[in-house]
Amino acid sequence: GAGVSQSPSNKVTEKGKDVELRCDPISGHTALYWYRQSLGQGLEFLIYFQGNSAPDKSGLPSDRFSAERTGGSVSTLTIQRTQQEDSAVYLCATTSGPSSYEQYFGPGTRLTVT
Amino acid sequence: DQQVKQNSPSLSVQEGRISILNCDYTNSMFDYFLWYKKYPAEGPTFLISISSIKDKNEDGRFTVFLNKSAKHLSLHIVPSQPGDSAVYFCAASGSTGTASKLTFGTGTRLQVTL
Repeated sequence: GAGVSQSPSNKVTEKGKDVELRCDPISGHTALYWYRQSLGQGLEFLIYFQGNSAPDKSGLPSDRFSAERTGGSVSTLTIQRTQQEDSAVYLCATTSGPSSYEQYFGPGTRLTVT
Repeated sequence: DQQVKQNSPSLSVQEGRISILNCDYTNSMFDYFLWYKKYPAEGPTFLISISSIKDKNEDGRFTVFLNKSAKHLSLHIVPSQPGDSAVYFCAASGSTGTASKLTFGTGTRLQVTL
């Protein structure tokens, strides 16, 4: 597709379960970001992938969060043993490269942990 | 430590009037600033940007002003239209050496009334 896509669009899970969120970036975009937006908050940086470099994981809030990017394309964000405070909209964004300022966002995945 | 601050969570403006959205930052290493617009259930979309070497950038109804000495930028929308009703995020780049890594504010919800 022409834009960034994310799946699922909505996810409701029970506390303690693991969830996996998917991001399909714009073809050719080498830089990929994950953010989360909690209710009433701004965009909180989680993790950054650039090409084959080691990811910048400095924003991950705990070791329950992990992400990978396979073949420089699709990325998955995994949250293990979900907690209620993990409820948020998780957004993926890509850019054409590290020197490109403009980020292109997907529609997000709304995660609700009950 | 909120490096990019949008102190007004919401703003209501009449159609046809000017909307002024404000943003303050604390990190003097930021050298590029962007505004994103977000509709409900969609990802943010890029609106307008400005480099620190400029103090103004205009694109149609949208103008961004930068005051480096005050570490302040503002987005002016004139005339405001009902379709401008959205959440506006200010973002900044330049403190990490990776241009595309942005720091976002918490957003201002703009409501343009008839």
